[in-house]
Amino acid sequence: GENVEQHPSTLSVQEGDSAVIKCTYSDSASNYFPWYKQELGKRPQLIIDIRSNVGEKKDQRIAVTLNKTAKHFSLHITETQPEDSAVYFCAASIVGGSARQLTFGSGTQLTVLP
Amino acid sequence: ETGVTQTPRHLVMGMTNKKSLKCEQHLGHNAMYWYKQSAKKPLELMFVYSLEERVENNSVPSRFSPECPNSSHLFLHLHTLQPEDSALYLCASSQESGITNEKLFFGSGTQLSVL
Repeated sequence: GENVEQHPSTLSVQEGDSAVIKCTYSDSASNYFPWYKQELGKRPQLIIDIRSNVGEKKDQRIAVTLNKTAKHFSLHITETQPEDSAVYFCAASIVGGSARQLTFGSGTQLTVLP
Repeated sequence: ETGVTQTPRHLVMGMTNKKSLKCEQHLGHNAMYWYKQSAKKPLELMFVYSLEERVENNSVPSRFSPECPNSSHLFLHLHTLQPEDSALYLCASSQESGITNEKLFFGSGTQLSVL
């Protein structure tokens, strides 16, 4: 089955700096990669996703890049703000697959220091 | 509250107790899930109900028993739990179509402590 590894487990950045979180996956058949954000005491929420027919996707200050050959994908947050502090989870699945097929990474605790 | 609601938010129980977690979704979705979230670990899928039928059970111990009486409600019955079962239990829902990737909508979770 699929295995998703996520690094780093914790990340601290100064406000205004960029943050990068990386994930690798094992199943070459995976081609859908969502990212979820979980603020302290709150529910995880989807923030961005990418499919393997594109190499990069942006939404304001967040972007995701995908290297299908190397089987890794990354979340990039620019101009970080305190409200970006949260746990971020990556996941992998198959396009058109059920949500039950999502395999999650172990999460990255991002802290944005004022 | 709209979306996916879970009760209780916090639960402390002894190993001999029996308790139930409740989840309700107001999104009209046709699939509901229980996930276990432990520190520093990936989200673990425990149970899936699609169209009220349980379609997957990832070898979860029998001390966890799910119930889905209709498409909007999901329960997780707990009995004779172990301290290692202490975790955040998240409910989620999605609309399965078999065509597009379904977005998971999570509840806020029940923080369970087993003493």
